[in-house]
Amino acid sequence: DQQVKQNSPSLSVQEGRISILNCDYTNSMFDYFLWYKKYPAEGPTFLISISSIKDKNEDGRFTVFLNKSAKHLSLHIVPSQPGDSAVYFCAASVEGGSEKLVFGKGMKLTVNP
Amino acid sequence: DTAVSQTPKYLVTQMGNDKSIKCEQNLGHDTMYWYKQDSKKFLKIMFSYNNKELIINETVPNRFSPKSPDKAHLNLHINSLELGDSAVYFCASSHYGQGANYGYTFGSGTRLTVV
Repeated sequence: DQQVKQNSPSLSVQEGRISILNCDYTNSMFDYFLWYKKYPAEGPTFLISISSIKDKNEDGRFTVFLNKSAKHLSLHIVPSQPGDSAVYFCAASVEGGSEKLVFGKGMKLTVNP
Repeated sequence: DTAVSQTPKYLVTQMGNDKSIKCEQNLGHDTMYWYKQDSKKFLKIMFSYNNKELIINETVPNRFSPKSPDKAHLNLHINSLELGDSAVYFCASSHYGQGANYGYTFGSGTRLTVV
C-alpha cells in the first residue's frame, strides 16, 4: 500500500525553464513532507520540507507547494539547471511517529543544456 | 570528512552466506536508521535506533539483525542470505525529534548482490 506516490517516473526540461515535480499521498495523518535529491551512486540528500500547517515553503530556486485538501504537493525548480538532473524523492512523516519517513519511488529529472 | 559512511560500498555474495554492513556517523546525531531500496526503487525503513535503543523495527525477517554499539555506529548483520535480499541498503542519521521534519543525512549506500 503506497502511502506516498510519485506517478510520473521521469521529466525532461530545458535549462532555464521551470521543473514541476508532483507527489500525492493517502495518509491524512502526515504532518511533514520532504523532498530529497539523489545522484547515481550517492545517498539521498535533503532538499526542502514543508509542515502541514503551511501551503508554501521557499528556499532559493526551490519551492514546495502543499494542497492538503487534494493530498498533493509539488516541487518547483526555477530556473532549472543541468546540475539539477537527478532522481527526486518525495517523503512524508507523522510527528511523534518515531522519526519514520515514508518515501515515494522517485522521479528522474533531466535538465537539458 | 564524510558525515555518514557505510562499508562496504559493494558486496557480492552467495546465497546462504552471512554478511555485515557497517555504518558510522560523525555528525553528533543520536538516531540512526537502515533503509532498503529494492528493485522497484522504493526506499523503505527497516530499523531505527535512538541512543543505542531500538525504536523502529518494521516487518523485516529475523535474519536481519541490527546492532548499535554506540550512538555513532549502527551495523546490519544478515544471516542466510537469499536472492531477494539483493538491494541497496542505506544508513542514515538525525537528531531525534528533527528527522521527521528536517530530514536525515544518508550514507552513500551499500549495493548487496546475492548470487
